[in-house]
Amino acid sequence: DQQVKQNSPSLSVQEGRISILNCDYTNSMFDYFLWYKKYPAEGPTFLISISSIKDKNEDGRFTVFLNKSAKHLSLHIVPSQPGDSAVYFCAASANDYKLSFGAGTTVTVRA
Amino acid sequence: IAGITQAPTSQILAAGRRMTLRCTQDMRHNAMYWYRQDLGLGLRLIHYSNTAGTTGKGEVPDGYSVSRANTDDFPLTLASAVPSQTSVYFCASSDSQGGREQFFGPGTRLTVL
Repeated sequence: DQQVKQNSPSLSVQEGRISILNCDYTNSMFDYFLWYKKYPAEGPTFLISISSIKDKNEDGRFTVFLNKSAKHLSLHIVPSQPGDSAVYFCAASANDYKLSFGAGTTVTVRA
Repeated sequence: IAGITQAPTSQILAAGRRMTLRCTQDMRHNAMYWYRQDLGLGLRLIHYSNTAGTTGKGEVPDGYSVSRANTDDFPLTLASAVPSQTSVYFCASSDSQGGREQFFGPGTRLTVL
């Protein structure tokens, strides 16, 4: 049973607009959350993370929001650019440092 | 080299054959991991190693074995491959003295016929 769920397999967005990716988790022991980006034929690369002691973390065009009570996090990309077209994985970690991943969301940015 | 390398890049294998996927990192990270990526399932942890000389089972360990003789290398072995092991395999590493971010290799695409 997957403990991290990304219920939207795909997302299409116009260039310059905001992309919002969602992620839900079930394990209350998770205290650290990460987003990874993956291009075809490459390994995932780390994008941004957030600790459970925060509810927001921002890095340039990327912002992650965490709602602990709802066990929900989201990644906002604004403005979206063509190079953002990729698969995005949500991941979560408890204090054992192992990561549990969601199924991924494929983002397509339209010109 | 810098980061994580994996070999081979891709492989087609007959069912029942033995196969070892290689992974080497040069970041002196103490922890290493093996994942498989399947459509609709994301990345699932197969085995991990917190430090040289120790290994542990992940979410989907059956049919796979690993060893960690030194810090840099973490090979994954399929003793007798089956078609359900067709997947893309990623090796990753992390420094437990730092954050929880894991660094991934480029992957090995394995097809078992």
